[in-house]
Amino acid sequence: EPEVTQTPSHQVTQMGQEVILRCVPISNHLYFYWYRQILGQKVEFLVSFYNNEISEKSEIFDDQFSVERPDGSNFTLKIRSTKLEDSAMYFCASRGTSLDTGELFFGEGSRLTVL
Amino acid sequence: AQSVTQLGSHVSVSEGALVLLRCNYSSSVPPYLFWYVQYPNQGLQLLLKYTTGATLVKGINGFEAEFKKSETSFHLTKPSAHMSDAAEYFCAVSNTGGFKTIFGAGTRLFVKA
Repeated sequence: EPEVTQTPSHQVTQMGQEVILRCVPISNHLYFYWYRQILGQKVEFLVSFYNNEISEKSEIFDDQFSVERPDGSNFTLKIRSTKLEDSAMYFCASRGTSLDTGELFFGEGSRLTVL
Repeated sequence: AQSVTQLGSHVSVSEGALVLLRCNYSSSVPPYLFWYVQYPNQGLQLLLKYTTGATLVKGINGFEAEFKKSETSFHLTKPSAHMSDAAEYFCAVSNTGGFKTIFGAGTRLFVKA
């Protein structure tokens, strides 16, 4: 069964460092998402990406964050100059087409710890 | 704007008892509604969804939910809880064809033997 894969599963970084989280969405999907879940809290929308551009983003997704689809398979989230409060589980998700019913397929997440 | 409210951050039931997890939504357009489940150290997976048509929808693992427009609710139920149902459950809403799915705060379900 096709699945969304994320790497790394866990990353520890020092405050102020740059981090890149990688995702390989399901191959024929067209919509891509990043969500964040701080430990014990809700799943928060960060950004959606379609047709090689950001289609919507939340207030959390400020200039510190960027997304890219550098090739036909990977979808990356870059966090510049990480802060302690960026520590969270980051989930990538993908969705099929505009004709589908909006079901998101999630990866298992990348846990980011900022020290 | 859309939003989701899940009543009760923790619900505890005995094995074999009814499971009821509450979800209310707010949406200015006809919503698509979802329940996702998250097991420890895993991503979210879809339990069931409502888009159009029949308001009672059935999902995996014996769960079902009913869309009630008048109450703006989409509560999740299961007649008989099993130990393996212990997990975090998220209600979510998106608009038709929308780019953004909004999640509720989640309800952690505990099942006692």
